[in-house]
Amino acid sequence: DTGVSQDPRHKITKRGQNVTFRCDPISEHNRLYWYRQTLGQGPEFLTYFQNEAQLEKSRLLSDRFSAERPKGSFSTLEIQRTEQGDSAMYLCASSLSVGVGDTQYFGPGTRLTVL
Amino acid sequence: QQQVKQSPQSLIVQKGGIPIINCAYENTAFDYFPWYQQFPGKGPALLIAIRPDVSEKKEGRFTISFNKSAKQFSLHIMDSQPGDSATYFCAASPGEGAQKLVFGQGTRLTINP
Repeated sequence: DTGVSQDPRHKITKRGQNVTFRCDPISEHNRLYWYRQTLGQGPEFLTYFQNEAQLEKSRLLSDRFSAERPKGSFSTLEIQRTEQGDSAMYLCASSLSVGVGDTQYFGPGTRLTVL
Repeated sequence: QQQVKQSPQSLIVQKGGIPIINCAYENTAFDYFPWYQQFPGKGPALLIAIRPDVSEKKEGRFTISFNKSAKQFSLHIMDSQPGDSATYFCAASPGEGAQKLVFGQGTRLTINP
């Protein structure tokens, strides 16, 4: 399967713990996005990379959140000192930039539950 | 101005019917409008997308109608099947720079046999 993969698929943690998620994009894709989706809502944009450069961060991304994409390949999203409000599905998407409207392909997501 | 409003929240249609899902936006900088389908436990998958220079686009049983002056667009599913039962999201992107998608709230569609 050459789609976007995410690991782990599920994570249960206690409040105050740190968690890290990984996303492996489609291999030739230079753009990588993180979104967060809560139950019954559409995904909300968190941050975006073009190659290894993080070009935009949403105001939703508090300073407890950090994302990296070393060498422009896989990406990690870390949440420090988790809170119950962080419970959500974290989705990664990748695309190949073709100008306007490049298709974003989503991974299966990592479901985070903070107890 | 960044919002995309989607309706209805849920929709039940008999097999063979034509469900219609509507979206409206305010930001005139949006110029790419995709629709995504999401099954439980899966990530969203692109169904069909449209740019504002056309008023309609068809791909298989899926059609997007776009009204630029009203800032509205809709998804029609022809000859709907029980396998189309899923949550559908409209989205919009500003086009320039980051291609971040702004999603609607979603429509849970059920196609009864």
